[in-house]
Amino acid sequence: GENVEQHPSTLSVQEGDSAVIKCTYSDSASNYFPWYKQELGKRPQLIIDIRSNVGEKKDQRIAVTLNKTAKHFSLHITETQPEDSAVYFCAASNNFGSGGSYIPTFGRGTSLIVHP
Amino acid sequence: DTGVSQDPRHKITKRGQNVTFRCDPISEHNRLYWYRQTLGQGPEFLTYFQNEAQLEKSRLLSDRFSAERPKGSFSTLEIQRTEQGDSAMYLCASSKQETGELFFGEGSRLTVL
Repeated sequence: GENVEQHPSTLSVQEGDSAVIKCTYSDSASNYFPWYKQELGKRPQLIIDIRSNVGEKKDQRIAVTLNKTAKHFSLHITETQPEDSAVYFCAASNNFGSGGSYIPTFGRGTSLIVHP
Repeated sequence: DTGVSQDPRHKITKRGQNVTFRCDPISEHNRLYWYRQTLGQGPEFLTYFQNEAQLEKSRLLSDRFSAERPKGSFSTLEIQRTEQGDSAMYLCASSKQETGELFFGEGSRLTVL
């Protein structure tokens, strides 16, 4: 089955700095890579996702990059703000095409702390 | 429809008792997932339904766990003879077949004494 590793487990930055969270996956059949944000006591919510047919995707201050050859993908947050403080989870799944399992496997999470 | 709802939000039980959680997905979503989350960990996959069919079960799901989704609508997750190691947040999520995004419920927190 799929195995997703996520680093670092904790990331502390000053407001305005950039933050980068990295994930690796093991199953070359995985083709969908979402990122979820979970604020304290709340449900995880999707913030950005990328399919394996593209290498990068941007949405305002957040971006995700994917290296299929190396089987790793990263979340980049620029100009961090205190409200970005949360736990971020990466995930990988085989969602598209025939024979997909459609089961996201999650990383262990990164606790991002943005200091004002 | 305001999203995925789960009930109860909190459950405290004694070891050996049975508990049941309910999940109501977003109405047009045909996929429904159960995950377990413990402190400091990511969601761990338990089981998955497409409509009423249970298509996949994790090895984490021992024979004390059973899940159903009658008529492809709401789902229940039952844990029999609970153990202290079952204490966790049980998350339900639903998605449309055409997209990959999971919509999570608020979760049901189980504490086994």
